[in-house]
Amino acid sequence: DVKVTQSSRYLVKRTGEKVFLECVQDMDHENMFWYRQDPGLGLRLIYFSYDVKMKEKGDIPEGYSVSREKKERFSLILESASTNQTSMYLCASRPDRGFRNSPLHFGNGTRLTVT
Amino acid sequence: DAKTTQPPSMDCAEGRAANLPCNHSTISGNEYVYWYRQIHSQGPQYIIHGLKNNETNEMASLIITEDRKSSTLILPHATLRDTAVYYCIVGTGNQFYFGTGTSLTVIP
Repeated sequence: DVKVTQSSRYLVKRTGEKVFLECVQDMDHENMFWYRQDPGLGLRLIYFSYDVKMKEKGDIPEGYSVSREKKERFSLILESASTNQTSMYLCASRPDRGFRNSPLHFGNGTRLTVT
Repeated sequence: DAKTTQPPSMDCAEGRAANLPCNHSTISGNEYVYWYRQIHSQGPQYIIHGLKNNETNEMASLIITEDRKSSTLILPHATLRDTAVYYCIVGTGNQFYFGTGTSLTVIP
C-alpha cells in the first residue's frame, strides 16, 4: 500500500513565524501535491511538483512556497504565518505510470493553527 | 462553476445499499471520475475511479451514465464504519476538481 506520511498531525504556531510542513511518500511517485481544506471551500491546490526541483503553482499559492530536493519528500513553507492560514493541510502523491490516470494518495493531514 | 455537484447529506440504513449520486455535466472527454471518502480528522481515502465503463472493486461499484454527465457510487452493504464524507472528483493528469462532498450517515 502507498504510504504518504505528514510529519505532524497538529501544529500551533504564532503569527509571523516561518512554518515548515513535511511530507514523505514511499512509492517512488513522480508527482506530489499540497492542498488546504477549509469548511465550505473543499480542497484547494496550493502547489504541486512533477519532479525533483520542479514545481507548479496551484490555485492559491500566495503566502506559500515549496521545496522538493528529493523525490520522496515535498515540503510546504509558510514564510510568515498569518491567522488566515489556519487550516487542514493535506499532502498527496501519484505516479506518472499507469494507463488509467492513477489516483491521488493522501496523507492524514496536518491541522495548523496560527494564533 | 463547480465541476461536480453532490447532495450535501444522505442517510442509509445499516446493511442496505448506499447510492451516492454526482453530477458532472461539464466533464471533458479525457477526464476521469474519482470517488474518495474522508472520515473526520483523516485524509481522503481513495475508493474507485473510471472513465466511461462501470467499475467494481472490493469497496464499491461505480456506475457512469452513457453521456458521462453523472455517476453513482454504490456501497452494496453499508456498515456504520462507512459513515463519512464522500467526494466525487473529476480530473486528468495532475488536474483534479474537488466538490464539497456528501456527508453519509449510516443508521443502525
